[in-house]
Amino acid sequence: QVQLVQSGAEVKKPGASVKVSCKASGYRFTSYGISWVRQAPGQGLEWMGWISAYSGNTNYAQILQGRVTMTTDTSTSTAYMEVRSLRSDDTAVYYCSRGTGSGAYGLDPWGQGTLVIVSS
Amino acid sequence: QSVLTQPPSVSGAPGQRVTISCSGSSSNIGSTYDVHWYQQLPGTAPKLLIYGNNNRPSGVPDRFYGSKSGTSASLAITGLQAEDEADYYCQSYDTSLRGVIFGGGTKLTVL
Repeated sequence: QVQLVQSGAEVKKPGASVKVSCKASGYRFTSYGISWVRQAPGQGLEWMGWISAYSGNTNYAQILQGRVTMTTDTSTSTAYMEVRSLRSDDTAVYYCSRGTGSGAYGLDPWGQGTLVIVSS
Repeated sequence: QSVLTQPPSVSGAPGQRVTISCSGSSSNIGSTYDVHWYQQLPGTAPKLLIYGNNNRPSGVPDRFYGSKSGTSASLAITGLQAEDEADYYCQSYDTSLRGVIFGGGTKLTVL
């Protein structure tokens, strides 16, 4: 079955970077893109950006421009998302999800989520 | 503040029908882009519930129904069950922001 499995929880200090992985299985990785979505404690869903697994083209949310980088490794069907210059308000559960650049057809499935805590 | 507006909470008794609204604008729901809905049970990842305004993925009961009209969309849930208690999010694409957008989420309580 189609599945996305993410890396484990991270605790980082302010100013540091974090890189989360998302390993896909059960479908042709390069036929879809990967969106990243985060959810701060008790808050709603925030789209962070999207990467095409076929071309590597990216589209980042304006609020994160310059601090986030999304990449893929087609040899291992894995997507990566890195956030730099972490702040306390980056504390959230980070999700990856399969989808198109516009989110057409919806985002499906979702990874299990990776908790990132930013604290001094 | 989310680009798509949802009520923070709705509630209903078992067996009843509830609707959750999602209000947008001409740059998102009112454009050619579809609306999708997600269900997030406590402590779990979101799950696609409705795609393309009114389509259910395999395995989603037909008690869940989506619709879109103009710059708004709605999710209706009939025959409420205790297991439906969750957060629900609408999602579309915004041509001005050039990105995927979500509603702020609606907490459904089954009384």
